[in-house]
Amino acid sequence: ETAVFQTPNYHVTQVGNEVSFNCKQTLGHDTMYWYKQDSKKLLKIMFSYNNKQLIVNETVPRRFSPQSSDKAHLNLRIKSVEPEDSAVYLCASSFRGNTEVFFGKGTRLTVV
Amino acid sequence: GEQVEQLPSILRVQEGSSASINCSYEDSASNYFPWYKQEPGENPKLIIDIRSNMERKQIQELIVLLDKKAKRFSLHITDTQPGDSAMYFCAASDNRIFFGDGTQLVVKP
Repeated sequence: ETAVFQTPNYHVTQVGNEVSFNCKQTLGHDTMYWYKQDSKKLLKIMFSYNNKQLIVNETVPRRFSPQSSDKAHLNLRIKSVEPEDSAVYLCASSFRGNTEVFFGKGTRLTVV
Repeated sequence: GEQVEQLPSILRVQEGSSASINCSYEDSASNYFPWYKQEPGENPKLIIDIRSNMERKQIQELIVLLDKKAKRFSLHITDTQPGDSAMYFCAASDNRIFFGDGTQLVVKP
């Protein structure tokens, strides 16, 4: 049963465009995350957001930015996409950092 | 942050045999160690976890072992079935969770 909802499921766009992905969780969790999963299936943390504290993986390019309106929503914006941004972006949530993490179904981004 | 190393990256076993995946971590403050299974086209899902107050946990055919002294933990799947074929991720957390790079398990009939 899905409790972390991501839209869209797929998105194809051209190099240089801006994209925005939405994520909402209905679990009452206080921590949300964005992961990038590349073609090799590596799960790379991009951002975690907890009680208005944002933790950024310093390897994430500045064109990526998270946007949160409340603790149930954490969107991901990419300004000026690059070909290497093609991947599946997984949103997730948990209650604090040391309990089960629930993942959304992912958004597959293809940059042409 | 924490570093989690996971080996092997690919594991091929015969149906009915056991499969073992090993992980190590660096931060002695890590106290929660979950394992996730990701089937093709699906999102990762928790299959079993262990906290630092335990050394062993079993759920049906899944066994996890934790050696805090060596900072190692492992997943053992006994009597593997084709349905066990998937990506498996270990993780370690003290309040921030860090994932290993994953193991592609292939169970051959």
